[in-house]
Amino acid sequence: GDSVTQMEGPVTLSEEAFLTINCTYTATGYPSLFWYVQYPGEGLQLLLKATKADDKGSNKGFEATYRKETTSFHLEKGSVQVSDSAVYFCALTDNTNAGKSTFGDGTTLTVKP
Amino acid sequence: DTAVSQTPKYLVTQMGNDKSIKCEQNLGHDTMYWYKQDSKKFLKIMFSYNNKELIINETVPNRFSPKSPDKAHLNLHINSLELGDSAVYFCASSQEGVSYGYTFGSGTRLTVV
Repeated sequence: GDSVTQMEGPVTLSEEAFLTINCTYTATGYPSLFWYVQYPGEGLQLLLKATKADDKGSNKGFEATYRKETTSFHLEKGSVQVSDSAVYFCALTDNTNAGKSTFGDGTTLTVKP
Repeated sequence: DTAVSQTPKYLVTQMGNDKSIKCEQNLGHDTMYWYKQDSKKFLKIMFSYNNKELIINETVPNRFSPKSPDKAHLNLHINSLELGDSAVYFCASSQEGVSYGYTFGSGTRLTVV
């Protein structure tokens, strides 16, 4: 079955530091890949996505590249801000799985001033 | 104008009671979902409906029963509530197809005492 493995947290960084959150996946079909962000007390919001190999998704300074050869979709940001403190979820949707998304366990990021 | 709205936002109830959570989306999406998020932030799919038809029914106790009166609404009824049902329940919707992400509601925090 499909699975998503995310880097374990929590991750604590200073403001303006470089962020990487690792995500690898296994899937039986040709998945689309997503990153979601959950701010405290809120629902998940779609941050970015990539639908085929070598696609790069980007939004709000965050980027992730769909790497089929390494089955990875790592999230990066060059300079984090305190307002980026949140839980980040990597997810995939596989065309063989009735459109169901499989989520990673989430990585909590705290950015300190 | 809220895209996916859930009510209530908070629900505190005693063991053994029956309660319902309502969800509505105004995005015109065909597919709606219920997810459960536990205290460690792990997300688990419970149900999925496509145009009022149940398409995903994960291993969930029979005490949980979804109902979709039309494609814009997906409600969750829970009978005989137990302490272990305490969690945050998220409704989500999506367009059909694997390349579309989900739009989540803001969640219902259920506390069973």
